[in-house]
Amino acid sequence: SAVISQKPSRDICQRGTSLTIQCQVDSQVTMMFWYRQQPGQSLTLIATANQGSEATYESGFVIDKFPISRPNLTFSTLTVSNMSPEDSSIYLCSVDVGLNTGELFFGEGSRLTVL
Amino acid sequence: GIQVEQSPPDLILQEGANSTLRCNFSDSVNNLQWFHQNPWGQLINLFYIPSGTKQNGRLSATTVATERYSLLYISSSQTTDSGVYFCAVTGNQGGKLIFGQGTELSVKP
Repeated sequence: SAVISQKPSRDICQRGTSLTIQCQVDSQVTMMFWYRQQPGQSLTLIATANQGSEATYESGFVIDKFPISRPNLTFSTLTVSNMSPEDSSIYLCSVDVGLNTGELFFGEGSRLTVL
Repeated sequence: GIQVEQSPPDLILQEGANSTLRCNFSDSVNNLQWFHQNPWGQLINLFYIPSGTKQNGRLSATTVATERYSLLYISSSQTTDSGVYFCAVTGNQGGKLIFGQGTELSVKP
C-alpha cells in the first residue's frame, strides 16, 4: 500500500470562498483520483488527476468548480471554488499504487463544512 | 453502467454477535473491494477480492463472480467494528471504481 496524507483534515468555510485540499503520497503512483462523499451518501468520483495534463472530470463535475493540479507523481490538489453549503462533504484522495490489480487506497479525507 | 447494491442498509448487533453483509453487482468485474469507513470518515481497505475467499482475523470475504455477489463476514463483533461498510467494483471494461450505498453497522456493548 502507500501512505496518503491529506490537508486539511477538516475545515469550516464561509459561503463564496474557495479552499484547496492537498494530497501527498509517500511513493510515486500512476493514478490519482478525487472523490466526494456528501453527508449520509456514498462516494462519487469527481475526477482523475493526470500528471502533466488536465484532469479528466466525471459527468456533473466541471473544472471551474473543482480545479485540480497534479504537478508530479506524488502530489495533487483539489480546489473547491465559490463554495456553497451544498459543497459540505468529505473529499477523499485515492491512489492506484501500481499493483496491476486496480486496487485503490484512500487518504484520511478532508471534511469541509460550508456555512 | 455497472450497478452495485448492498444489503442490509443498516444493522445493529450486540457485541460478540456474527453478521453477513452482501454486495450484488450487475455485470462482470475486474476489481471488487470492501472498505470500512470509521466514524471519523477514514476509509480503510479490508479486502481486494474480485473472486474467491480471503480471511483476515475476525473478518472474511467471499466473492462468487459467476453469480455476481460478494459477502463480508464479521465474527465476534466488537464496538470498534461500528461504521459504514462499502463494497466497490470496477467493471471488466475498466474505468472507475463504483461504490455501493453502504451498510451502516452499529455494535452495542
